[in-house]
Amino acid sequence: EAGVAQSPRYKIIEKRQSVAFWCNPISGHATLYWYQQILGQGPKLLIQFQNNGVVDDSQLPKDRFSAERLKGVDSTLKIQPAKLEDSAVYLCASSHTGTGVRVYEQYFGPGTRLTVT
Amino acid sequence: AQSVAQPEDQVNVAEGNPLTVKCTYSVSGNPYLFWYVQYPNRGLQFLLKYITGDNLVKGSYGFEAEFNKSQTSFHLKKPSALVSDSALYFCAVRDVYSSASKIIFGSGTRLSIRP
Repeated sequence: EAGVAQSPRYKIIEKRQSVAFWCNPISGHATLYWYQQILGQGPKLLIQFQNNGVVDDSQLPKDRFSAERLKGVDSTLKIQPAKLEDSAVYLCASSHTGTGVRVYEQYFGPGTRLTVT
Repeated sequence: AQSVAQPEDQVNVAEGNPLTVKCTYSVSGNPYLFWYVQYPNRGLQFLLKYITGDNLVKGSYGFEAEFNKSQTSFHLKKPSALVSDSALYFCAVRDVYSSASKIIFGSGTRLSIRP
């Protein structure tokens, strides 16, 4: 099966500019996650969708970050305006949906490396 | 609060030797524990999980992990290291306070296998 696709792979912007990232999860995976991974740290969950509904966005800086998954498949994550501290790798992941333990097996895309100057 | 700790930023092992990457956890209730690996310029890959049952869990690429409840540890192991095992390894735990399938990652351990 095809993996999780993300684009772009790299992005360099100046502070106060805006940027958007795109993710296409594995076919049939209703749950989609966006993570922020700062250099030297583990991934931190920003937002989790189940189909097109938000399940958890408790760590999303809502004053500048937004995400949507309108048709329950693809998703976009936007930052507006960007700050220097937003420099990180943004990872998208998807997983099976249901009550079984496989929901915790997340499949990750290659990530988008964002540099804010 | 729930958390995982990976006490070593880096582990260096000679090829062919056994390797151990350490992880300790702090959770309420029964822990669900995971190991993920991240190769350069690639996303994380699921290696293995402990939910219940046998304390020794086997996963991908010949890795295994041992759950030790008394020591609250979940160390990753492999009997004979390969150069291709060089990567960044993350331990993770289920967030029991989340209603969703949320997991919390440790800070990672860089494993370097020298030929």
